Amino acid sequence: GAGVSQSPSNKVTEKGKDVELRCDPISGHTALYWYRQSLGQGLEFLIYFQGNSAPDKSGLPSDRFSAERTGGSVSTLTIQRTQQEDSAVYLCASRLDGSLFGGELFFGEGSRLTVL
Amino acid sequence: AQSVTQLGSHVSVSEGALVLLRCNYSSSVPPYLFWYVQYPNQGLQLLLKYTTGATLVKGINGFEAEFKKSETSFHLTKPSAHMSDAAEYFCAVSGNNNNDMRFGAGTRLTVKP
Repeated sequence: GAGVSQSPSNKVTEKGKDVELRCDPISGHTALYWYRQSLGQGLEFLIYFQGNSAPDKSGLPSDRFSAERTGGSVSTLTIQRTQQEDSAVYLCASRLDGSLFGGELFFGEGSRLTVL
Repeated sequence: AQSVTQLGSHVSVSEGALVLLRCNYSSSVPPYLFWYVQYPNQGLQLLLKYTTGATLVKGINGFEAEFKKSETSFHLTKPSAHMSDAAEYFCAVSGNNNNDMRFGAGTRLTVKP
């Protein structure tokens, strides 16, 4: 596609429910990142996919968070048993080739999650 | 590991005044440095980046930044602010680990008429 597409743009859920956030990267981009943006906290790295390599999950805050990337393209971030502190904007970004150091990340517009 | 500190969560300038947004980084390896801008209700977009070579880099919309290794800084400047510059600005650093793109907390720029 023309840009990184994320859905839903807004999600309101109740505490304890599971949510899935979707990211469709730019076609041909091999690297895909998830970040969490909380008020005043900047962008918190969550997880990174590069081609067929094992993802770097070092930023996932707890085992309630997981992500997968199917066919090297679309990615889904799943949050189980949501908590109020999970409320944030979840940003997805892709890059043409993760091995190109200094390569630009292209960001989607984010999925705003509100946990009541 | 890399990290970024942005000094000042909010900066307010008058239209036509100098814009200076501060960024200091920490990196155990030669850094690659970035400034991204986020306009209201939009995603982040790249303003400029430093990888190698000239330490003064120019970006879009008249912004520039200078890499100063001795000061571990990469401050963003623009000689004359425009109302359309009002946005949130993020500094980021990447090292030789290609997934290690770390962002600062952001600086919200307000431009007064």
